[in-house]
Amino acid sequence: EVQLVESGGGLVQPGRSLRLSCTASGFTFGDYAMSWFRQAPGKGLEWVGFIRSKAYGGTTEYAASVKGRFTISRDDSKSIAYLQMNSLKTEDTAVYYCTRDPTWGQGTLVTVSS
Amino acid sequence: DVVMTQSPLSLPVTLGQPASISCRSSQSLVYSDGNTYLNWFQQRPGQSPRRLIYKVSNRDSGVPDRFSGSGSGTDFTLKISRVEAEDVGVYYCMQGTHWPQTFGQGTKVEIK
Repeated sequence: EVQLVESGGGLVQPGRSLRLSCTASGFTFGDYAMSWFRQAPGKGLEWVGFIRSKAYGGTTEYAASVKGRFTISRDDSKSIAYLQMNSLKTEDTAVYYCTRDPTWGQGTLVTVSS
Repeated sequence: DVVMTQSPLSLPVTLGQPASISCRSSQSLVYSDGNTYLNWFQQRPGQSPRRLIYKVSNRDSGVPDRFSGSGSGTDFTLKISRVEAEDVGVYYCMQGTHWPQTFGQGTKVEIK
């Protein structure tokens, strides 16, 4: 069974950084692209970015709203995908989900507030 | 970015009755490979989203056959043939044809 578990969320001040992890199991992690989405409290879903598998270059794509501030990486030896979030803004407050098509994790809440 | 517009945004339904949600895109979702990357997601209260339908009309594993997707080009529909209590939640369409992937606003399905 495919399982994805996000961790690393919490309360952080504006301008600071936070790194989220997505630990995967139940499939050959290195064979798949991994994506991140987010959902602000009471709002809809927003795609954040994704990372391709090494077979496709391991390259990344980002939403305009986070490009230049967020970085996605992966450690295939540990089956973990990361979302490094820098220069956080209050509008980044959301539940962050990692996904491997079509499975979603349970999400981790990031609150950006002073 | 491609704008996805869902209607209605709120859908009260009677148990056992059908329900239908519309999703329109601001441009055609037909990709150069001939596929149309339009997905439907269900988000039950307090839960993560779950994909129900991919590429317009293909049900994901474990999705009851009362859910069906249809449409083409810019107009798409999710239908529930007979609504059950467990179908309460918010439904989102999402296009994956054009970068970036974009979602509709969501349609809240509730029982009358």
